Amino acid sequence: AQSVTQPDIHITVSEGASLELRCNYSYGATPYLFWYVQSPGQGLQLLLKYFSGDTLVQGIKGFEAEFKRSQSSFNLRKPSVHWSDAAEYFCAVGDSWGKLQFGAGTQVVVTP
Amino acid sequence: DVKVTQSSRYLVKRTGEKVFLECVQDMDHENMFWYRQDPGLGLRLIYFSYDVKMKEKGDIPEGYSVSREKKERFSLILESASTNQTSMYLCASSSTGGFYHEQYFGPGTRLTVT
Repeated sequence: AQSVTQPDIHITVSEGASLELRCNYSYGATPYLFWYVQSPGQGLQLLLKYFSGDTLVQGIKGFEAEFKRSQSSFNLRKPSVHWSDAAEYFCAVGDSWGKLQFGAGTQVVVTP
Repeated sequence: DVKVTQSSRYLVKRTGEKVFLECVQDMDHENMFWYRQDPGLGLRLIYFSYDVKMKEKGDIPEGYSVSREKKERFSLILESASTNQTSMYLCASSSTGGFYHEQYFGPGTRLTVT
């Protein structure tokens, strides 16, 4: 069975600083990997996804993620955060049936 | 744009009541999902459906049932609500074509059981 670990429950970052959110997965086959963002009071919005090919994936809102098979990781990055990036971020791994397994989430707080 | 709507944003029910949460999607997606979201636990899958009248248990189906009579509508039913079912409930849908794992989410229903 697949599983996802997001080691950081909470991250505080200054506006303009870089951000990296960690995600480790466990899955027997080639993983389908996703990052979603949830702004306060909102549903989840897809930031980016990885199925195959180039291991560096570009997403919306200036985010990118890098798939590293050897480390079973899919970390999310943004070079310069904006106050509007304050939200909860979820990493997820999908199986061949289309089901997703989510991590526990990382809450990002952006300070002025 | 894909739109997934949920019948209520906030709901307050009493212990023992039967509760219906409705979800409708407008993109003709085959797959639909119900999750509950709790702090520190992320999203956990309750039930999902690959087609009309089909349903499969997810990771935490106990105390819940579902109904899918039409392709666009997926209902979550709490037969007898309990306080430990107080949570945020999220519905999602996805297609089986192309990037079929990409799930589109509704805004969520925050259910409080008193």
